[in-house]
Amino acid sequence: SQQGEEDPQALSIQEGENATMNCSYKTSINNLQWYRQNSGRGLVHLILIRSNEREKHSGRLRVTLDTSKKSSSLLITASRAADTASYFCATDAYGGFKTIFGAGTRLFVKA
Amino acid sequence: GAGVSQSPSNKVTEKGKDVELRCDPISGHTALYWYRQSLGQGLEFLIYFQGNSAPDKSGLPSDRFSAERTGGSVSTLTIQRTQQEDSAVYLCASSSTGTANSPLHFGNGTRLTVT
Repeated sequence: SQQGEEDPQALSIQEGENATMNCSYKTSINNLQWYRQNSGRGLVHLILIRSNEREKHSGRLRVTLDTSKKSSSLLITASRAADTASYFCATDAYGGFKTIFGAGTRLFVKA
Repeated sequence: GAGVSQSPSNKVTEKGKDVELRCDPISGHTALYWYRQSLGQGLEFLIYFQGNSAPDKSGLPSDRFSAERTGGSVSTLTIQRTQQEDSAVYLCASSSTGTANSPLHFGNGTRLTVT
């Protein structure tokens, strides 16, 4: 079973707008990661946030983590057509020895 | 440096045949994962290797699936008597420490089509 669930499943926005994707998970975690996938092939790591962190930034990306609600959000500011991809959250599960992925959010940025 | 390499990139096989998928992880990475991704879906965990420890096989969907990792490096995922529902992209990833504190580095996957 999947540990993380992303919301929404799909998102379509105009270039320049901000995109927000949410992730909820079920068990306690040590950290949460976000990945991007283009063209249905390999995933690329974007950012990792630890359970004792509440917010983290990387370029146009901002990730928040609320462990009390077991949820995280990924914000992409000033989106570009090149941001079109699927975005997945991933968590350690059941002891931290493997990484489990959610179902992903498909983001489409219209030029 | 070299990333995670998977071969073949595409494989078409007839139902009932056996297939082997190969993964070359990043040198020195102790952890290696196999995932399966059906069209438009998320990643389904299959198996996890960490150093010399016994692998976590809890995600393998049936006994037709097996995997090994030789010498702590190259891994092979074998599917016996393939079925049409096995059609998917099989993704391999490695990480440096083997805990979920280190990012996963993915290969580009093997797209398996069972006809």
